[in-house]
Amino acid sequence: KNEVEQSPQNLTAQEGEFITINCSYSVGISALHWLQQHPGGGIVSLFMLSSGKKKHGRLIATINIQEKHSSLHITASHPRDSAVYICAVTGGGADGLTFGKGTHLIIQP
Amino acid sequence: KAGVTQTPRYLIKTRGQQVTLSCSPISGHRSVSWYQQTPGQGLQFLFEYFSETQRNKGNFPGRFSGRQFSNSRSEMNVSTLELGDSALYLCASSQVPLLAGNTDTQYFGPGTRLTVL
Repeated sequence: KNEVEQSPQNLTAQEGEFITINCSYSVGISALHWLQQHPGGGIVSLFMLSSGKKKHGRLIATINIQEKHSSLHITASHPRDSAVYICAVTGGGADGLTFGKGTHLIIQP
Repeated sequence: KAGVTQTPRYLIKTRGQQVTLSCSPISGHRSVSWYQQTPGQGLQFLFEYFSETQRNKGNFPGRFSGRQFSNSRSEMNVSTLELGDSALYLCASSQVPLLAGNTDTQYFGPGTRLTVL
């Protein structure tokens, strides 16, 4: 069974700061997903990675397959980035997606 | 293109009852996955359907079941409800199933919040 760990669990930062959220997993995977969940429950898929790096606007996601580690970066953070960010993996012997517990991010103006 | 829709959005049931939740995927998507989210356990995978066949199943008791219709719409059913079944139930759709090697993006619905009293 794949264990997915995220850090930090909670993060409060000031507007404009560079944010990093980390995700590590225990078993090899086929893909890693970064999800964003706003209050009220809606989930948006931000990135899906199997190798390397992806960028979308102010968001950057990287994955190191050998180290079983991924990071999500937010540049020039804004209060609207406040949300829970969830890491999830597919493969690694488990069916479906295996989720981390999430990182609760608050960006203060 | 319309997003993933789920009905109902909110539901209150009592212990022992059963409940059916519905999910309509994005047009053209044939894979529908179901997830349970609780404060204690976080998000957990329930099952996935593709072309009317259950492809994957998470570690949930047999009280949780589902099906998919020929138009890709999916329903999940929970029988003999327990207090611990209170949760946000999310479905997500994609064009291809969540199999090893497939890396398709999933699109989530708004969820159904189930409260069991």
